[in-house]
Amino acid sequence: GQNIDQPTEMTATEGAIVQINCTYQTSGFNGLFWYQQHAGEAPTFLSYNVLDGLEEKGRFSSFLSRSKGYSYLLLKELQMKDSASYLCAVREGTGANNLFFGTGTRLTVIP
Amino acid sequence: DAGVIQSPRHEVTEMGQEVTLRCKPISGHDYLFWYRQTMMRGLELLIYFNNNVPIDDSGMPEDRFSAKMPNASFSTLKIQPSEPRDSAVYFCASSRTWTDTQYFGPGTRLTVL
Repeated sequence: GQNIDQPTEMTATEGAIVQINCTYQTSGFNGLFWYQQHAGEAPTFLSYNVLDGLEEKGRFSSFLSRSKGYSYLLLKELQMKDSASYLCAVREGTGANNLFFGTGTRLTVIP
Repeated sequence: DAGVIQSPRHEVTEMGQEVTLRCKPISGHDYLFWYRQTMMRGLELLIYFNNNVPIDDSGMPEDRFSAKMPNASFSTLKIQPSEPRDSAVYFCASSRTWTDTQYFGPGTRLTVL
């Protein structure tokens, strides 16, 4: 099975940096995804990590430590439009049905 | 390219009624997924198809739920009879292969009164 844990809510200031953590427990880790979901909209893909380390993509970076069952999403130069929920999803083993989502972190960016 | 298309975007119905949700995946994607999202449980996979064939429906909550994919460009999720606890946002997603990124449709917000 898997247990995916993320903070429920976070608040950060426009222009700042925020780190959203995700911890997981799984037997047969096979990749971790981060999705962004604005209120009332569909989740959209942000990043994918399968090996340890940092993946950088513009203002967003994602880090993975498989030995610690830990990932974080780093958002730099925060903008108001970054206010959204951020979902951590873990793929366990093989098979398309083994993608499990956390309940998400609702980020509010304030002026 | 058009993304995943879902209809309707909103559905309000009364308990006991049949509800049919529709999805058109991205062309060329061999995998189609149906998810349900609630505040309490987050995103949950209900069923997925590979090349129009249902592969795993272990996430379908009850026999009241059924899904079909008659061709590569269309899938339905049916709830009959609907109950208030079925109220949620239902997302359809597709991907080229099972390891590729899943692209989500805009969702159908279902309210069962």
